[in-house]
Amino acid sequence: DARVTQTPRHKVTEMGQEVTMRCQPILGHNTVFWYRQTMMQGLELLAYFRNRAPLDDSGMPKDRFSAEMPDATLATLKIQPSEPRDSAVYFCASSQGRMGEKLFFGSGTQLSVL
Amino acid sequence: DQQVKQNSPSLSVQEGRISILNCDYTNSMFDYFLWYKKYPAEGPTFLISISSIKDKNEDGRFTVFLNKSAKHLSLHIVPSQPGDSAVYFCAASSPFGSQGNLIFGKGTKLSVKP
Repeated sequence: DARVTQTPRHKVTEMGQEVTMRCQPILGHNTVFWYRQTMMQGLELLAYFRNRAPLDDSGMPKDRFSAEMPDATLATLKIQPSEPRDSAVYFCASSQGRMGEKLFFGSGTQLSVL
Repeated sequence: DQQVKQNSPSLSVQEGRISILNCDYTNSMFDYFLWYKKYPAEGPTFLISISSIKDKNEDGRFTVFLNKSAKHLSLHIVPSQPGDSAVYFCAASSPFGSQGNLIFGKGTKLSVKP
């Protein structure tokens, strides 16, 4: 059963520490998205990639967040330094990139920054 | 400014009755709409979608209605079951420049009481 895999499922860290979240998209999917879920904003798009190239990262705070795809099977989202306001659930999703196509989501990383 | 709005944060319905979840959008260029369901500690999963060339799409107990002139869509669940209790997200896709990106509303938490 193909699915998007995210690690870690939970992360508790102290303010100022670096956080790295990983995502393995579904094999054959060429578009990868990072979303953040908060109570106030719902599901916000942070960044997304097509064929490993970043297409849009305008939703991401550039000074502390970075997203990469080292290869087709791995996407990473880093926060350095982390702040308490970064506490949220971070979701990775993948698709074949066609218009209107549904996205497949991972189970998310629950991040708590103390 | 939010392009996809779900104005009801929560909805409570009795088992067996109809659940109606609403969604409004502001961008007339959106041409594809999707509903996702999310259980706690899981990622959102695709539920049903509708193209802007249609005004209704049905899948079992789930029906989505689209009113383009009002920029409004709704999800009907009939009959509602306790297992339908979840957060429902409305999402929209635009053909221009989005490259498969979805814009989500903040979600509506549905509680179906036995």
